[in-house]
Amino acid sequence: KAGVTQTPRYLIKTRGQQVTLSCSPISGHRSVSWYQQTPGQGLQFLFEYFSETQRNKGNFPGRFSGRQFSNSRSEMNVSTLELGDSALYLCASSLGLATDYEQYFGPGTRLTVT
Amino acid sequence: LAKTTQPISMDSYEGQEVNITCSHNNIATNDYITWYQQFPSQGPRFIIQGYKTKVTNEVASLFIPADRKSSTLSLPRVSLSDTAVYYCLVGDENTGGFKTIFGAGTRLFVKA
Repeated sequence: KAGVTQTPRYLIKTRGQQVTLSCSPISGHRSVSWYQQTPGQGLQFLFEYFSETQRNKGNFPGRFSGRQFSNSRSEMNVSTLELGDSALYLCASSLGLATDYEQYFGPGTRLTVT
Repeated sequence: LAKTTQPISMDSYEGQEVNITCSHNNIATNDYITWYQQFPSQGPRFIIQGYKTKVTNEVASLFIPADRKSSTLSLPRVSLSDTAVYYCLVGDENTGGFKTIFGAGTRLFVKA
């Protein structure tokens, strides 16, 4: 079956702009989690959505938001971009909650903020 | 801020057993401990998951003591292709609410 897909794969934005990233989970998976990965900070948890509800949220400012649709697809939005938001953004899907089930990761979206 | 702790890096030789330990003092009571492997330019990949005692699958074993405040990933007879970054993942309970916490990762380098 098809894996987790993320679009776009690469993105260049300017400071102050906003961006929306998309994630399509594996069919049948109800949980989608988002992570930010940078060389200095490793994998940082952003938030998890399960059946359209945000289950928990990491320690990121309110500029980072997300949502999940009824078909389990998820979007992540970052407003007022800062240089420090440059990172690889990974989404992962799982049958159930991320800490209870195997997560399948997408290839990521590489965001560069200039 | 509660967190997990792993060694930053480890070196090994082909054919040796490698043990990577992760400490997680505030692990959520009912959550599993999961380990992932990541190669450059790829997303992490599931290795093994457990709740307590010992779990074994075709690629690794996971040892979890009774207090569940740490876990040890054991890779038997590593090969060059096991060179990667290994992460532990737990659910963490603290005053700020439930969080999903990845360790900082252990960079394993396997030499011939």
